[in-house]
Amino acid sequence: GQNIDQPTEMTATEGAIVQINCTYQTSGFNGLFWYQQHAGEAPTFLSYNVLDGLEEKGRFSSFLSRSKGYSYLLLKELQMKDSASYLCAVQGAGNVLTFGGGTRLMVKP
Amino acid sequence: NAGVTQTPKFRILKIGQSMTLQCTQDMNHNYMYWYRQDPGMGLKLIYYSVGAGITDKGEVPNGYNVSRSTTEDFPLRLELAAPSQTSVYFCASSYRTGADTQYFGPGTRLTVL
Repeated sequence: GQNIDQPTEMTATEGAIVQINCTYQTSGFNGLFWYQQHAGEAPTFLSYNVLDGLEEKGRFSSFLSRSKGYSYLLLKELQMKDSASYLCAVQGAGNVLTFGGGTRLMVKP
Repeated sequence: NAGVTQTPKFRILKIGQSMTLQCTQDMNHNYMYWYRQDPGMGLKLIYYSVGAGITDKGEVPNGYNVSRSTTEDFPLRLELAAPSQTSVYFCASSYRTGADTQYFGPGTRLTVL
């Protein structure tokens, strides 16, 4: 089976750094995705990790530790437009993604 | 490219009615998926397809059916709608496995009363 956990809500201040954690227990692992989803919209791709370590992409970075079943998404220099839900998803066989419940991030001025 | 398109955007059904949610992609992707997202929750996989003529069940297939007669289209059929099927339905597609991300359509918001 698949079990993916992430915090339900987080609040941070504009200009700050926030880390969103994701822990997983899955029967198969072919990679981990992070998606951003603004309210009322479709998810959009942020990052993909398949090997241990940090992947950096502008203000966003994602880290993976396969041995610990752990990933985090790091958002730097927070902007108001970063207020959204962030979805952690583990890729199993057949490119099937299993999603966590999502973390709703509120950025305050 | 239009990407992944879904119709309708909104729909209200009465209990027991049936309907088909349409999904089309113009990116020549082999893999297509249907998810549902309940309020404040993550996405749950209903059905997926790895190519024309091939479909498989996901985590929550009960009450739904799919077909994949072409590469482009992947309709989702709801038979005998129930209030528990009130949700937002997203269709997605990807070219291959591995690092290829899934691209999502804009969603269909369905209410069953």
